[in-house]
Amino acid sequence: KNEVEQSPQNLTAQEGEFITINCSYSVGISALHWLQQHPGGGIVSLFMLSSGKKKHGRLIATINIQEKHSSLHITASHPRDSAVYICAACWRSNYQLIWGAGTKLIIKP
Amino acid sequence: NAGVTQTPKFQVLKTGQSMTLQCAQDMNHEYMSWYRQDPGMGLRLIHYSVGAGITDQGEVPNGYNVSRSTTEDFPLRLLSAAPSQTSVYFCASSQDRADEKLFFGSGTQLSVL
Repeated sequence: KNEVEQSPQNLTAQEGEFITINCSYSVGISALHWLQQHPGGGIVSLFMLSSGKKKHGRLIATINIQEKHSSLHITASHPRDSAVYICAACWRSNYQLIWGAGTKLIIKP
Repeated sequence: NAGVTQTPKFQVLKTGQSMTLQCAQDMNHEYMSWYRQDPGMGLRLIHYSVGAGITDQGEVPNGYNVSRSTTEDFPLRLLSAAPSQTSVYFCASSQDRADEKLFFGSGTQLSVL
């Protein structure tokens, strides 16, 4: 049973398109992380949020605690945004992270 | 700052061999953890540590040992490698369990034949 679901699994878009990646979870959480895994394998933290919205450059993350749903948006997408984007829910009871399987994003020039 | 240094990057083992994956961080982080990443699945927690001298099991601890003798180092030992342990392994650290930012090593691609 996967308590964190990401959609879509794969996404291919043209440069400049607005991208949305979704993350749904079924457990009570204290916060949710978004991370980026580069084609070379390295993993980098993007955001942690517990409510509302956060923005960093062209990346925007939102979370709706009541609906148990978070989204990661990329505006004006660029080929260098091509990566796997992963969400991880921080379980409220023990702060363990429950990981989504990732969304593989390819941005074509 | 080097961040999280993880070695080796690649390793091939024969069934039954043992080895140690090394992980070191220079950020004075209390929380360190080991994950494995398999195709189509989310990261799975193997073992974690909330400080020097303290370790605990994660979701998939069988076949692995850890120790935390210093704040900086958190090695992962495979006791007797099995093909099911073929995976990509990541070490991660953060200031504490609820920290905003997670730092990852570059990963180890392990194949067990």
